[in-house]
Amino acid sequence: EAGVTQFPSHSVIEKGQTVTLRCDPISGHDNLYWYRRVMGKEIKFLLHFVKESKQDESGMPNNRFLAERTGGTYSTLKVQPAELEDSGVYFCASSLQPNYGYTFGSGTRLTVV
Amino acid sequence: AQSVTQLGSHVSVSEGALVLLRCNYSSSVPPYLFWYVQYPNQGLQLLLKYTSAATLVKGINGFEAEFKKSETSFHLTKPSAHMSDAAEYFCAVQGGKLIFGQGTELSVKP
Repeated sequence: EAGVTQFPSHSVIEKGQTVTLRCDPISGHDNLYWYRRVMGKEIKFLLHFVKESKQDESGMPNNRFLAERTGGTYSTLKVQPAELEDSGVYFCASSLQPNYGYTFGSGTRLTVV
Repeated sequence: AQSVTQLGSHVSVSEGALVLLRCNYSSSVPPYLFWYVQYPNQGLQLLLKYTSAATLVKGINGFEAEFKKSETSFHLTKPSAHMSDAAEYFCAVQGGKLIFGQGTELSVKP
């Protein structure tokens, strides 16, 4: 079984640019999550999809962040425009059951300069 | 609200020595608790989980953790450290979504 795939693995962009991160969950996993770790801080929840619907987006920091999951398969997280404080590692996870049995991807390291 | 606190952002042990990584939790309901590990350039991997069954939980790679309600702790241990254990370790509590601690970086000296 393929795991959760994220790409790119690294991205360096300038402040004000747009970046789109992608996550491919394990096939059949309806639940997809985004988490973020800003340097030196704890890993924090961003949002939770059930199929294509946003179940919980309470962790999204502001309206510069837009997450989508068209068709309930892969998900994208767009940051527009990027700010310096958006730098960090963005993790995606998926699960069969809600909030249980997560499998995490390797993460995307985003650096905004 | 639920939370976890990991004591010590960096822990260094010698190869063959005991590994002890500390985690204390706060929860108003019986918690589900987890330990994850992140090796360099890899994703988060589940080491073990406590879901209200046995209080001593055994995980992968020789790690185990004991749930102590009276101390609100869920410390991670391994009797003998290997060089390959060098990684960052995260304690987490299930509060709907996963809530992580700040992480503890473990280094193992030869």
